[in-house]
Amino acid sequence: DIQMTQSPSSLSASVGDRVTVTCRASQDISGSLGWYQQKPGDAPKLLISAASSLPSGVPSRFGGSGSGTVFTLTISNLQPEDSATYYCQQAKSFPRTFGQGTKLEIK
Amino acid sequence: EVQLVESGGGLVQPGGSLRLSCAASGFTFSSYSMNWVRQAPGKGLEWVSEIDGSGTYAFYADSVKGRFTISRDNSKNTLYLQMNSLRAEDTAIFFCGNTRYGYNWGWGQGTMVTVSS
Repeated sequence: DIQMTQSPSSLSASVGDRVTVTCRASQDISGSLGWYQQKPGDAPKLLISAASSLPSGVPSRFGGSGSGTVFTLTISNLQPEDSATYYCQQAKSFPRTFGQGTKLEIK
Repeated sequence: EVQLVESGGGLVQPGGSLRLSCAASGFTFSSYSMNWVRQAPGKGLEWVSEIDGSGTYAFYADSVKGRFTISRDNSKNTLYLQMNSLRAEDTAIFFCGNTRYGYNWGWGQGTMVTVSS
């Protein structure tokens, strides 16, 4: 199985800041990486597919990059509503696997 | 608008069984693979199982293989998860989702499964 490791596990930033979350795969997954946002009490929401593609309706301050084994999620111009837990997920092979999550707190 | 509504969760004793359902609307159900993802209380997301649009191919996490069975009824736009030999560690919110290219584009609100005596 492909293991996904996120860092950091938590971070705190201020409104207007730019933050980066890293996700590492235990083997080459090409660009088959998605990012999800989950707010407390809600279902997750797809933020990014195929490493860097934003679904319709996702604000452009969210960005993704990477290929192979290292990927990043960048959130620019942080807003209060970005407070959430973020998960990466590989879509290269079954079983699908998620990272352990990164909890983002807005100061 | 995509709508996914799970049902069937509840309290069950260890070793017991439960069948979850996920009613889908707002998209062509048979054109999408569907999956189940769970989240134990206070923990992260765990992919559980996935089935292709025709119901021909199914995949499972090692943690549930041999105990859980995913299925679908395209005539009823409904996804199922039959869970047998339940364990305390299966306690979680179970979300259903529609997937394309390996990503969950839509999610239900989840149904809680509690395995306890």
